[in-house]
Amino acid sequence: DTAVSQTPKYLVTQMGNDKSIKCEQNLGHDTMYWYKQDSKKFLKIMFSYNNKELIINETVPNRFSPKSPDKAHLNLHINSLELGDSAVYFCASSGGRAGTQYFGPGTRLLVL
Amino acid sequence: DAKTTQPPSMDCAEGRAANLPCNHSTISGNEYVYWYRQIHSQGPQYIIHGLKNNETNEMASLIITEDRKSSTLILPHATLRDTAVYYCIVQKMKTSYDKVIFGPGTSLSVIP
Repeated sequence: DTAVSQTPKYLVTQMGNDKSIKCEQNLGHDTMYWYKQDSKKFLKIMFSYNNKELIINETVPNRFSPKSPDKAHLNLHINSLELGDSAVYFCASSGGRAGTQYFGPGTRLLVL
Repeated sequence: DAKTTQPPSMDCAEGRAANLPCNHSTISGNEYVYWYRQIHSQGPQYIIHGLKNNETNEMASLIITEDRKSSTLILPHATLRDTAVYYCIVQKMKTSYDKVIFGPGTSLSVIP
């Protein structure tokens, strides 16, 4: 069973388009995250949700809008895509007593 | 900025122990040391964590100095599949309200 899943795995699109990435976790965790890993491989947190409530919102352009319809899902919608948005986006979740984060396989976004 | 510093890269012979150091001199009393690794193109994977005592699990051992300002991750018998980027981070146990910062990590190459 996949603990944290993301769709799609690959996303190639043109500048200016709007796209969404979906994330689902079946671990029963309360907290979910979105991270961005750029070409230099730095992993940076973008958002954190706890029980569907936005907790952490890093300095991210407002073109990025996360949505958590329920505890098990955290989607990321990106408007007006730019070349600099090209990166790998990872979803993660954590819960329980330990703060261990479980990461999804990543979504590789390429903006042309 | 990351709260930890790690060497950018290390080599280890297959079958030997890999000892990965991490400095976290500004760690606070309620912060834990966590280790993750990222095998090429995959999502980061949890390895181990600890507060002040040494810890061991099926993957690795974690040695934390008495003053808690540094730690060492030990992979007792490195294999080629252990080639990855290893991240040392400090975080409070409950991560919901704590921005976890990943540094560049240590790129470990296990050599046949």
